[in-house]
Amino acid sequence: AQSVSQHNHHVILSEAASLELGCNYSYGGTVNLFWYVQYPGQHLQLLLKYFSGDPLVKGIKGFEAEFIKSKFSFNLRKPSVQWSDTAEYFCAVSNTGNQFYFGTGTSLTVIP
Amino acid sequence: KAGVTQTPRYLIKTRGQQVTLSCSPISGHRSVSWYQQTPGQGLQFLFEYFSETQRNKGNFPGRFSGRQFSNSRSEMNVSTLELGDSALYLCASSGTVDYGYTFGSGTRLTVV
Repeated sequence: AQSVSQHNHHVILSEAASLELGCNYSYGGTVNLFWYVQYPGQHLQLLLKYFSGDPLVKGIKGFEAEFIKSKFSFNLRKPSVQWSDTAEYFCAVSNTGNQFYFGTGTSLTVIP
Repeated sequence: KAGVTQTPRYLIKTRGQQVTLSCSPISGHRSVSWYQQTPGQGLQFLFEYFSETQRNKGNFPGRFSGRQFSNSRSEMNVSTLELGDSALYLCASSGTVDYGYTFGSGTRLTVV
């Protein structure tokens, strides 16, 4: 079975700091990659996705992620975080079978 | 267009009871998946339905079951509830795997 690893369980940053959240997956075939965000008290929302083309994908709210196939990684980045980015972030991978595998999530706290 | 609608939003049940949760996907989405979200385990896949057929199944006991109707609405049933079943149950619908899931707000189940 596939697995998705998010190495950082809880990250605390000050506003304007740069962010990078790690995500690695185990599947060796064709995959689609996603980052979801869950703001406090809200439902999961799609932040960005990759399924082909340019491995550097840009999402909403200034987030981006880079797919590095050789490293089985899809790390999420943001050059300057804001207090409103405080949320839980989930990396997800899907294969052609339409099953999604999620990481355990990274809780981000941004201090004003 | 309307999002994914889950009902009810909150439920309190006692051990041994059974419960049925409902999910209405985005219009036109034929794939509906269910997840259990807990603080310690993150998002765990329960099952996925497509055109009224269970297409994928996670590693949950048989007490967890589901079904999908011809209008793509889905229900999830948990029988003989245990305290450990307390969680946020999320439904997600998908048009195609490339576009990821759209999640509902979830049903918060508390078993006492």
